[in-house]
Amino acid sequence: ETGVTQTPRHLVMGMTNKKSLKCEQHLGHNAMYWYKQSAKKPLELMFVYSLEERVENNSVPSRFSPECPNSSHLFLHLHTLQPEDSALYLCASSQYQGSTSPQHFGDGTRLSIL
Amino acid sequence: EDQVTQSPEALRLQEGESSSLNCSYTVSGLRGLFWYRQDPGKGPEFLFTLYSAGEEKEKERLKATLTKKESFLHITAPKPEDSATYLCAVQAPESNYQLIWGAGTKLIIKP
Repeated sequence: ETGVTQTPRHLVMGMTNKKSLKCEQHLGHNAMYWYKQSAKKPLELMFVYSLEERVENNSVPSRFSPECPNSSHLFLHLHTLQPEDSALYLCASSQYQGSTSPQHFGDGTRLSIL
Repeated sequence: EDQVTQSPEALRLQEGESSSLNCSYTVSGLRGLFWYRQDPGKGPEFLFTLYSAGEEKEKERLKATLTKKESFLHITAPKPEDSATYLCAVQAPESNYQLIWGAGTKLIIKP
């Protein structure tokens, strides 16, 4: 496989469930990102990891918990979500965090909270 | 105040009808401006990076230009397959070099 792969592609969960989103990059990049995309709004940066160390956490509620076990894998653990958390969650990677090398995106997980 | 503003929000063109999309920004110390294309159900796909005013880049029917306040994405003789949402993002010191995104322009090319 090449590029950035996200699973699952679609997820429907209740407000009391716990689930995880997975992202894997096959590009040899050192930085990985989680974004939230809502309709007609700019992408919202949630978390940034550089060499498996979290370097940004943009005031994201604690019901979202990221994990980066190595430079190729990134997870987003979800628990006790709210209806307003329904959105497309995108994972991206880049060569280095803070450089002008472009970010490459997966196709996202469409999350629906009942 | 929005730091990155894209206009128009949506644009409908006939096949072959050339036009331009705008991305204006208010950040200081621009390090790079990025254009992406996003198809429905897909993640954004990288198109161009522009670094300094006066720079231009081309790819097939697309040409991106940059001034000190804005960037244009010119689409020449578009085809239906150019239909997508086009996203602009800037990188600057004030965002700790993380990308600041615009809300996008949805482009529809009718055959």
